[in-house]
Amino acid sequence: GAGVSQTPSNKVTEKGKYVELRCDPISGHTALYWYRQSLGQGPEFLIYFQGTGAADDSGLPNDRFFAVRPEGSVSTLKIQRTERGDSAVYLCASSLNGGALYEQYFGPGTRLTVT
Amino acid sequence: AQKVTQAQTEISVVEKEDVTLDCVYETRDTTYYLFWYKQPPSGELVFLIRRNSFDEQNEISGRYSWNFQKSTSSFNFTITASQVVDSAVYFCALSGKRGSNYKLTFGKGTLLTVNP
Repeated sequence: GAGVSQTPSNKVTEKGKYVELRCDPISGHTALYWYRQSLGQGPEFLIYFQGTGAADDSGLPNDRFFAVRPEGSVSTLKIQRTERGDSAVYLCASSLNGGALYEQYFGPGTRLTVT
Repeated sequence: AQKVTQAQTEISVVEKEDVTLDCVYETRDTTYYLFWYKQPPSGELVFLIRRNSFDEQNEISGRYSWNFQKSTSSFNFTITASQVVDSAVYFCALSGKRGSNYKLTFGKGTLLTVNP
């Protein structure tokens, strides 16, 4: 079946602009995670959804970052007033449920470049 | 706080050599899970293994094997008879429960290059 998909694959934007990154999880997966991977680093947790609600947003770096999952499926990560330090690969993962027994399946990521 | 340390930034071997990737973790949780992921040049993270904190048995899957030692907080990964296709960045990760959230804490990764 289809895996996790993310669009766009690449996004170049100017400093100060607003961007939206989309994640389509595997059908039927209730848990969805966003991670950010900077060059040469491991992915860092941003936010976790169980269904429609953000169960843990403790990884969001500041209030310029926001994510939604209105129908419990597709999620959008929104970044306002982008800064050059936001440049990274943004990864989305989904799992059947939120427990650790359920493997997280990762998407290919969106590479965001802020110029 | 949880922490994963992969001290080896880069490893280069010649095909057919065995190679071990080290992973040391820190956690205060009594129940936790350890993972290894592979990230090939294409960029997509591929799940390799999950191990819970109560199961210290070593595991072997083909050319891959994992050595979990709670006493040293280590979860090392060995590739036997390495192949060029094994070239990738390998991440060790730790998951502990915070409410219903089993978010992963990753190490910085080890870049493995297998030369023909």
